[in-house]
Amino acid sequence: AQKITQTQPGMFVQEKEAVTLDCTYDTSDPSYGLFWYKQPSSGEMIFLIYQGSYDQQNATEGRYSLNFQKARKSANLVISASQLGDSAMYFCAMTLGSNYQLIWGAGTKLIIKP
Amino acid sequence: SAVISQKPSRDICQRGTSLTIQCQVDSQVTMMFWYRQQPGQSLTLIATANQGSEATYESGFVIDKFPISRPNLTFSTLTVSNMSPEDSSIYLCSVDTSANTEAFFGQGTRLTVV
Repeated sequence: AQKITQTQPGMFVQEKEAVTLDCTYDTSDPSYGLFWYKQPSSGEMIFLIYQGSYDQQNATEGRYSLNFQKARKSANLVISASQLGDSAMYFCAMTLGSNYQLIWGAGTKLIIKP
Repeated sequence: SAVISQKPSRDICQRGTSLTIQCQVDSQVTMMFWYRQQPGQSLTLIATANQGSEATYESGFVIDKFPISRPNLTFSTLTVSNMSPEDSSIYLCSVDTSANTEAFFGQGTRLTVV
């Protein structure tokens, strides 16, 4: 069954440190996309980064990078030099093949300490 | 990219009433998605709305409770009918990109039913 697992319900990280948010996925479909979203307390869903299953390089977007380990079926989000504004819920999600429907993880609440 | 304007951003409603949420996209999109996010939970897909056809509802969601309109390729509405406190959630609309590498979200509607 297709599934996204985020094992960290919450994390505390000191400001300016790097943080890794875990995400593992389960699918037998060879074609899939992996997404990370940030949801601040305001409720909006902010797209951070995308990784396609056939992409050779790990995706990077500014301070965000995705540590894609295909054999281990993991797609961890790495935030470098964390900032207070990074405090939010973070969701990992997946699409399969040409299906646009997103499969969501349970989310990780990240709190950055000053 | 796509910019989605969703309104209202929040509302407090009496039980038994209905609320219609609107999403306006700045470009034409084939599919629009409506999600519900209950407090402290991940996102759950309510339905997929294609222009010119009936929305496709996910298991556990019915048209009588969540009627959806999709009159054109840039606009959709979701109505939460006969509300009860259990409907208190964030409701989000989303659209895909043609490349399926990002799903764009509206700002969300934070609904409280009293």
